Amino acid sequence: DVEMTQSPFSLPVTLGQPASISCRSSQSLVSSDGNTYLNWLHQRPGQSPRRLILRVSERDFGVPDRISGSGSGTDFTLKISRVEAEDVGIYYCMQGTHWPRTFGQGTKVEIK
Amino acid sequence: EVQLVESGGGLVQPGGSLRLSCSASGFTFSSYYMNWVRQAPGKGLEWVSSISETGYGLYYGDSVKGRFTISRDNAKDSLYLQMSSLTAEDTAVYYCTRGWSGPDYWGQGTLVTVSS
Repeated sequence: DVEMTQSPFSLPVTLGQPASISCRSSQSLVSSDGNTYLNWLHQRPGQSPRRLILRVSERDFGVPDRISGSGSGTDFTLKISRVEAEDVGIYYCMQGTHWPRTFGQGTKVEIK
Repeated sequence: EVQLVESGGGLVQPGGSLRLSCSASGFTFSSYYMNWVRQAPGKGLEWVSSISETGYGLYYGDSVKGRFTISRDNAKDSLYLQMSSLTAEDTAVYYCTRGWSGPDYWGQGTLVTVSS
């Protein structure tokens, strides 16, 4: 199975400041079709997860452009340019290239 | 509007069985892979199972293989998860999700509690 490793585990941030989360996979996530199926999801307390980013860097509908994804192969990053109160919660990376699908362990973002 | 509504969760004894259902609306159900993802209390997300559009492609996580069976009824826009030989480690909120390579829609989840 592909192991997804996120860091940090916890990320205290100041409103208006940037934040960055790393995700590393134990195998390349480049698919045989040439796409890299790396997703980022956000889960607010008491809510279902919501996908923010697909295929490394494509934002889902309604996701603000202050949230961005980057990376390739096995190393990926989610960045928030200016953290807002609505950004608190847990962020997960998830790979959709290999079976079984696997998630990172999550990064908890909270306001300082 | 895409909606996924799970049902069927509840309290079950260890070794017991339970069948979860997911009713889909707002999209052409038969055109999408569907999945079950679970989340144990206070824990992270765990992919459980996926099924292809036609129902012929079936995929399972190692922790549920041989015990859980995913199925779908495209005529009823419904997804199912038959769970058997349940243990306390299966206690979780089970989410119905849409999409092959990364779920773009999630239901609200249904809680399964395995306890005597």
